Amino acid sequence: DQQVKQNSPSLSVQEGRISILNCDYTNSMFDYFLWYKKYPAEGPTFLISISSIKDKNEDGRFTVFLNKSAKHLSLHIVPSQPGDSAVYFCGALGGGGADGLTFGKGTHLIIQP
Amino acid sequence: DGGITQSPKYLFRKEGQNVTLSCEQNLNHDAMYWYRQDPGQGLRLIYYSQIVNDFQKGDIAEGYSVSREKKESFPLTVTSAQKNPTAFYLCASSAQGYNQPQHFGDGTRLSIL
Repeated sequence: DQQVKQNSPSLSVQEGRISILNCDYTNSMFDYFLWYKKYPAEGPTFLISISSIKDKNEDGRFTVFLNKSAKHLSLHIVPSQPGDSAVYFCGALGGGGADGLTFGKGTHLIIQP
Repeated sequence: DGGITQSPKYLFRKEGQNVTLSCEQNLNHDAMYWYRQDPGQGLRLIYYSQIVNDFQKGDIAEGYSVSREKKESFPLTVTSAQKNPTAFYLCASSAQGYNQPQHFGDGTRLSIL
């Protein structure tokens, strides 16, 4: 039973436009969410996080929005750049289980010139 | 330059053999984690350790063992009991505190000959 879902395996966006990556979760005990970016054959790199007491967190080109009632969060990247092409993982903490992150399956973002 | 080092990058194992994956960090982090990534899957937690000489099972601990004798090191042994060991293994660490982001190594790809 997947507790964190990223329903789009891939997303293609034109350079300069906005990229929106979505993540849904089912466990209402999750209270902290993180986005990671991963290039092939490398480990994930932390991008941005949000606590469940907030609904928005912004860091440069990256903004994460959290809708607790819908159990949905999204990562906005604007403007999208070629170096943003990577796999993005949504992770959640606090699900009442182990202390590690629960991850979604990832979304492969492709930025087209 | 602080970071997490996983070695080797590629590892091959014969069926029935145990194999140990190395993970070292010089970030002075208390917590360390092992994840497994399979094609089309998110990262799944194998084991984690919040402090030296203590570790806990994650979601998929069967067929794996760990030790945490030093703060800097958290080796993972893939035993012959792990029926499907071929995967990409990622080690992570984080500072003490619930909402500290995890920092990942570049991973080890394990293949069965």
